[in-house]
Amino acid sequence: GDSVTQMEGPVTLSEEAFLTINCTYTATGYPSLFWYVQYPGEGLQLLLKATKADDKGSNKGFEATYRKETTSFHLEKGSVQVSDSAVYFCALGSGNTPLVFGKGTRLSVIA
Amino acid sequence: NAGVTQTPKFQVLKTGQSMTLQCAQDMNHEYMSWYRQDPGMGLRLIHYSVGAGITDQGEVPNGYNVSRSTTEDFPLRLLSAAPSQTSVYFCASSSAGGKLYEQYFGPGTRLTVT
Repeated sequence: GDSVTQMEGPVTLSEEAFLTINCTYTATGYPSLFWYVQYPGEGLQLLLKATKADDKGSNKGFEATYRKETTSFHLEKGSVQVSDSAVYFCALGSGNTPLVFGKGTRLSVIA
Repeated sequence: NAGVTQTPKFQVLKTGQSMTLQCAQDMNHEYMSWYRQDPGMGLRLIHYSVGAGITDQGEVPNGYNVSRSTTEDFPLRLLSAAPSQTSVYFCASSSAGGKLYEQYFGPGTRLTVT
């Protein structure tokens, strides 16, 4: 079945550092790809999405590009802030079946 | 709009007790789901519903029941609580069609079973 693999955390960065969180997927169809973020003590919220190959999703300075050739959807941000400390989940949706989530990557940004 | 609301925020149960976790949404979303979040396991889908009167099992349905009598409400029932059900539970909703996967999550219920 469909699956998502994302890099294990935790990831600890200094403020203003560059962030990459890797995500790869396996899918039989043509999935849509998502990044969700969970701030401490809260539920998840959608960060960005891409619905077809070569689409770039972006929001709040974060970006991810849907790469069909490498089955990847890596999350990047050029300069992280302390307020970006959270757990980030890569997710896949296809064919009206339930979303498939990765296990999450915890990011801690220190001042 | 209140979005997705969940009650209670915290609950402690003894093994064998039953309870219902409440979830409500005011966005007229057709799709609702329940997840549990455990350390190192990510999110696991318990049950979901594509509309009033329709429910289906997710990845980890055992020990849980759901019903969907209205569009707004999707309660999760623990029939006989076990320590393995200690977890954080999240309810989510989304509209059907093109935004099916743009889910709105509630703030969660932290459940401890002793």
